[in-house]
Amino acid sequence: GAGVSQSPSNKVTEKGKDVELRCDPISGHTALYWYRQSLGQGLEFLIYFQGNSAPDKSGLPSDRFSAERTGGSVSTLTIQRTQQEDSAVYLCASSLGLGPEAFFGQGTRLTVV
Amino acid sequence: QKEVEQNSGPLSVPEGAIASLNCTYSDRVSQSFFWYRQYSGKSPELIMSIYSNGDKEDGRFTAQLNKASQYVSLLIRDSQPSDSATYLCAASSGGSYIPTFGRGTSLIVHP
Repeated sequence: GAGVSQSPSNKVTEKGKDVELRCDPISGHTALYWYRQSLGQGLEFLIYFQGNSAPDKSGLPSDRFSAERTGGSVSTLTIQRTQQEDSAVYLCASSLGLGPEAFFGQGTRLTVV
Repeated sequence: QKEVEQNSGPLSVPEGAIASLNCTYSDRVSQSFFWYRQYSGKSPELIMSIYSNGDKEDGRFTAQLNKASQYVSLLIRDSQPSDSATYLCAASSGGSYIPTFGRGTSLIVHP
């Protein structure tokens, strides 16, 4: 596709359930980022993948959060035992590699009820 | 801790005026700087990148970088109501290429 694709666009889940968010980066982009944006807040970095290197997980807020990237392309962010404070828009971005501009997907709005 | 600071605003300018948005960053080794525009309910959209000291112009937008002062700005000439959005400044360094974002400045262009 032409841009970063995320699915689902919206997700409503019950507290305590697990959720999976998907990101399909721009073809050829080796770097992939996950950010979280809560209402009225800035972008909070979560995790970064670059090629085949070990991911930078320094932004994950708790061990309930994990992410993987298969085949250097599609990434899945998993949140286990969701809590209400996990409610936010989860944004994925990709770039050609180290340094260049990152392009964002449309985001997944997660609501935990 | 790497920080990118922006005035939250709102910055209100009349249509046709120049809007000036400012950003400072704490990490002296930052090398890459970006401006994103985010409309309400939408994801950030890249509008400018700048890597060297000085000015970079693209249409009505000019990005300015001063590494000695750790300062980045974005000028929007001939502001239009459609420019009303939140503008996010981001910086990344050679050590970690992960962009760090400011909280954004809300811009309102009124007719």
